Amino acid sequence: SQTIHQWPATLVQPVGSPLSLECTVEGTSNPNLYWYRQAAGRGLQLLFYSVGIGQISSEVPQNLSASRPQDRQFILSSKKLLLSDSGFYLCAWSVGRPNSPLHFGNGTRLTVT
Amino acid sequence: SQKIEQNSEALNIQEGKTATLTCNYTNYSPAYLQWYRQDPGRGPVFLLLIRENEKEKRKERLKVTFDTTLKQSLFHITASQPADSATYLCALAGRGSTLGRLYFGRGTQLTVWP
Repeated sequence: SQTIHQWPATLVQPVGSPLSLECTVEGTSNPNLYWYRQAAGRGLQLLFYSVGIGQISSEVPQNLSASRPQDRQFILSSKKLLLSDSGFYLCAWSVGRPNSPLHFGNGTRLTVT
Repeated sequence: SQKIEQNSEALNIQEGKTATLTCNYTNYSPAYLQWYRQDPGRGPVFLLLIRENEKEKRKERLKVTFDTTLKQSLFHITASQPADSATYLCALAGRGSTLGRLYFGRGTQLTVWP
């Protein structure tokens, strides 16, 4: 069966520090991968979307970046965190069909201090 | 600009009643719409998908309708139970260049009390 792993579960980082969040998927090949952010009182905001290795689409301009070095690995990064980067970060995957549901990880709670 | 609005942030109902949640959208032409359930501190879990050419979809105690003229989806939970308490999110799929991407509403927090 397919599983998705996200880590760490919680993270507290000072302003200006770098960030690296990792997500891996098991049990499926060539998934579509997503990074979402859920800020307090706001909905899920799509940050990045990837249909394959090295293929990244950015939805919102910001100081975050994403990479997909392997088929089932998706990384969210920042060189310098801002206070506004605090939130709940969720990785998700879907199979190739456009109407397939998303399968989410359990998220990373990031607090930038 | 594109918007997805869910009727209210919170909905409180008594056990056994039917909960009805609303999702309205503007400036979208979604090919399909999905509903998810999210528990505190967890990622959303998929519940139902309905396509633009479908009026209604059912799964056990859940029912979803989709009216592309009104640009609205309704999500019903019949015979609600305290275990149904959670936040429910609607999500729209893009078309064309955004095909495969899902855009979410803020969600409605449902509380079912005994």
